[in-house]
Amino acid sequence: QITLKESGPTLVKPTQTLTLTCTFSGFSLSTSGVGVGWIRQPPGKALEWLALIYWNDDKRYSPSLKSRLTITKDTSKNQVVLTMTNMDPVDTATYYCAHRDLGLDAFDIWGQGTMVTVSS
Amino acid sequence: SSELTQDPAVSVALGQTVRITCQGDSLRSYYASWYQQKPGQAPVLVIYGKNNRPSGIPDRFSGSSSGNTASLTITGAQAEDEADYYCNSRDSSEVVFGGGTKLTVL
Repeated sequence: QITLKESGPTLVKPTQTLTLTCTFSGFSLSTSGVGVGWIRQPPGKALEWLALIYWNDDKRYSPSLKSRLTITKDTSKNQVVLTMTNMDPVDTATYYCAHRDLGLDAFDIWGQGTMVTVSS
Repeated sequence: SSELTQDPAVSVALGQTVRITCQGDSLRSYYASWYQQKPGQAPVLVIYGKNNRPSGIPDRFSGSSSGNTASLTITGAQAEDEADYYCNSRDSSEVVFGGGTKLTVL
């Protein structure tokens, strides 16, 4: 059974850097075809894809946020970390991590999400 | 960057059939996946690939694609299908979500 859980601060100040951790179980990020992505959703708004990392360390970023994002993996800890610099109130959102399989080409299992508020 | 366009809202009478559409150039080359999201919950994958349902998704959900348009069809909509639905696809370098469609079951 695959599970993912997001963790990190619930409140960050403008200009600060956000660090979120996705801790997962039920799969390995060293298995061919496997990836983990980050998606966010501002209150009352649509889903927005942020970043994706694959088993082979291939990394993909949203073009509009690429300069602010870094995604890394720690295979031994079953974790994926997303950092987002220069946080702004418009970045207030629920942040989700999700499992992705190249064969499905979809995010098949999602974490519960973590709400992050950006405010001074 | 890629874009996927969805109608903001659609309604359907209980037991009737509804189609939710998603348009975008990337859909000419890649399949869409579809997600159902109910208030306060994480999205759930309901359709992926040509027309595949994950385990546990009722067979009233189906997917199709033609040209630059992907569709999610619910045949015999139930009250519990009332939710937001998002399409998702990719191009060679990025992933993109549609703006979502709010489905109301009357």
